[in-house]
Amino acid sequence: AQRVTQPEKLLSVFKGAPVELKCNYSYSGSPELFWYVQYSRQRLQLLLRHISRESIKGFTADLNKGETSFHLKKPFAQEEDSAMYYCALSALNRDDKIIFGKGTRLHILP
Amino acid sequence: DGGITQSPKYLFRKEGQNVTLSCEQNLNHDAMYWYRQDPGQGLRLIYYSQIVNDFQKGDIAEGYSVSREKKESFPLTVTSAQKNPTAFYLCASSMALDGRARPYNEQFFGPGTRLTVL
Repeated sequence: AQRVTQPEKLLSVFKGAPVELKCNYSYSGSPELFWYVQYSRQRLQLLLRHISRESIKGFTADLNKGETSFHLKKPFAQEEDSAMYYCALSALNRDDKIIFGKGTRLHILP
Repeated sequence: DGGITQSPKYLFRKEGQNVTLSCEQNLNHDAMYWYRQDPGQGLRLIYYSQIVNDFQKGDIAEGYSVSREKKESFPLTVTSAQKNPTAFYLCASSMALDGRARPYNEQFFGPGTRLTVL
């Protein structure tokens, strides 16, 4: 069965420090992985997807199939990064639902 | 103005009453979804629909019902059978296929409806 695990409910990081939000998944086929973000009083929105291999707002995430991980990283945290982050998985090449992790709240300390 | 809308923003219901949450999109998306968001639980899928007049149960469909009579609309009814209905409900939509005819799984979310049962 598909499963997404985000082990940290809350992560507090000082401004300027590196950020790493952990995500591990369980899926036997070819997954498509996403990070979604929800800023205060804003809609949940896509941050990045592994297929695009792009950096958004300084964040990157590499799919590690050996470790079944898709950790989100940013070298220098900014106060505006404070938000709720959800890792999500979808089965590639199938028109199917997306499975979301339980989310990690990132709190950037001044 | 393109997008996905949900109404109302806040909804109060007495125990034993059914209530319907609205979700409309003008993005011409084929697929629509309903999630429930609870603190510490993340997003849990209630129902989803990939095409008009068809829908599938998600992980927590008990006590909920949906319809998909139009491509643009996917209303969710919270029935009196739902034991713990107080929650934040999110609707989302996505295209079925991208420019290369691959499943396009990015979802676009509405602003949400907060339902409180009194």
